[in-house]
Amino acid sequence: QKEVEQNSGPLSVPEGAIASLNCTYSDRGSQSFFWYRQYSGKSPELIMSIYSNGDKEDGRFTAQLNKASQYVSLLIRDSQPSDSATYLCAAGGGSNYKLTFGKGTLLTVNP
Amino acid sequence: EPEVTQTPSHQVTQMGQEVILRCVPISNHLYFYWYRQILGQKVEFLVSFYNNEISEKSEIFDDQFSVERPDGSNFTLKIRSTKLEDSAMYFCASSDQGSPYGYTFGSGTRLTVV
Repeated sequence: QKEVEQNSGPLSVPEGAIASLNCTYSDRGSQSFFWYRQYSGKSPELIMSIYSNGDKEDGRFTAQLNKASQYVSLLIRDSQPSDSATYLCAAGGGSNYKLTFGKGTLLTVNP
Repeated sequence: EPEVTQTPSHQVTQMGQEVILRCVPISNHLYFYWYRQILGQKVEFLVSFYNNEISEKSEIFDDQFSVERPDGSNFTLKIRSTKLEDSAMYFCASSDQGSPYGYTFGSGTRLTVV
């Protein structure tokens, strides 16, 4: 059974701080990893993808992947109250492009 | 920006009834998906659809579920004989050949079975 595990949180950080979100996955065949943001009652919104070991930066977001440890993380710098949401980690693999999601970490950024 | 459109946004149905959830994927996308999210739970894969046929389905996607692409634009999920545990948010997504993991999700249909 392919699993993606995340701390459910809630993770609370002050405005301007760095938020660090973590995820582990069980299937070594997973090749692609994604972070989605989901506001309550809304659909997931893709914010980062990462395919290779190391770091990938996009604006205030940095995704990190360590395939040997089966670990993915997301750093959000200069956190804003508008970043308050549930962050979903997802892993993909195989020819049908299916995603396996974690349960998500609820992030609250306090003004 | 192109969108994936889902209708209805909310559907209430009685247990045992059939429901059809509708989706209009982005026009040049080739891969189509249905996922569901029970309240407070993970987003779960149901089915993927490519080249007018199911390419993969999950254990959840049993005989009560079916998908169709009845014309060039719509993609539907039918649930026959709904159960209380089918109550969930159902998301349609689509992606293109150049970026098959670059899903665009629809806004979802909240299905409530009473």
